[in-house]
Amino acid sequence: QSALTQPASVSGSPGQSITISCTGTSSDVGGYNYVSWYQQHPGKAPKLMIYEVSNRPSGVPDRFSGSKSGNTASLTISGLQAEDEADYYCSSYTSSSTPHVVFGGGTKLTVL
Amino acid sequence: QVQLQESGPGLVKPSETLSLTCTVSGGSISSYYWSWIRQPAGKGLEWIGRIYTSGSTNYNPSLKSRVTMSVDTSKNQFSLKLSSVTAADTAVYYCARERRGVRGVIDYWGQGTLVTVSS
Repeated sequence: QSALTQPASVSGSPGQSITISCTGTSSDVGGYNYVSWYQQHPGKAPKLMIYEVSNRPSGVPDRFSGSKSGNTASLTISGLQAEDEADYYCSSYTSSSTPHVVFGGGTKLTVL
Repeated sequence: QVQLQESGPGLVKPSETLSLTCTVSGGSISSYYWSWIRQPAGKGLEWIGRIYTSGSTNYNPSLKSRVTMSVDTSKNQFSLKLSSVTAADTAVYYCARERRGVRGVIDYWGQGTLVTVSS
């Protein structure tokens, strides 16, 4: 069982917007602004899409955005494109017991 | 452009020690945290731990008793040892770099290497 809870799957049509949630606790998501989101295509390494809740690394389209409210972080993808179909993982830094990183279980995004 | 490459045996026997090395190219290994993350087939990501170039480490509490990480700055390499492995440790193992100044954010990943635990 993963430390952070994500929906197993979401779907949307091209051009639409979708949101993926990531629920943790006050010891991780709620306690720090070190929430990240990664995109992973089959057989590939994950790619950083969002860090520190809402920051985009250089080269990531502004269709990708992040936010947080309490113990739940969210990734929103607007203007869905076929190439967005992938698995998405959230992660958070936590100092619970000892400093470490926790991941969500992952969400499969299907572009219909 | 920083590149990371994992290397090590692809097959490890149960109860033995898994050993992997990550070679960093295209940049210095100094002044960064370097991490290991694994992913069983068809499952999610699991953070194993990280090491700073000074040798300071943080490990996943669930794996801490079996994990040892080390770094060799002269070779631009860092390593993972996982002892007493079982079939549950079968996974793709990624080495990765943590983004400077931002805790737990991985900005560069290796391609991953599959390690199978089987007799």
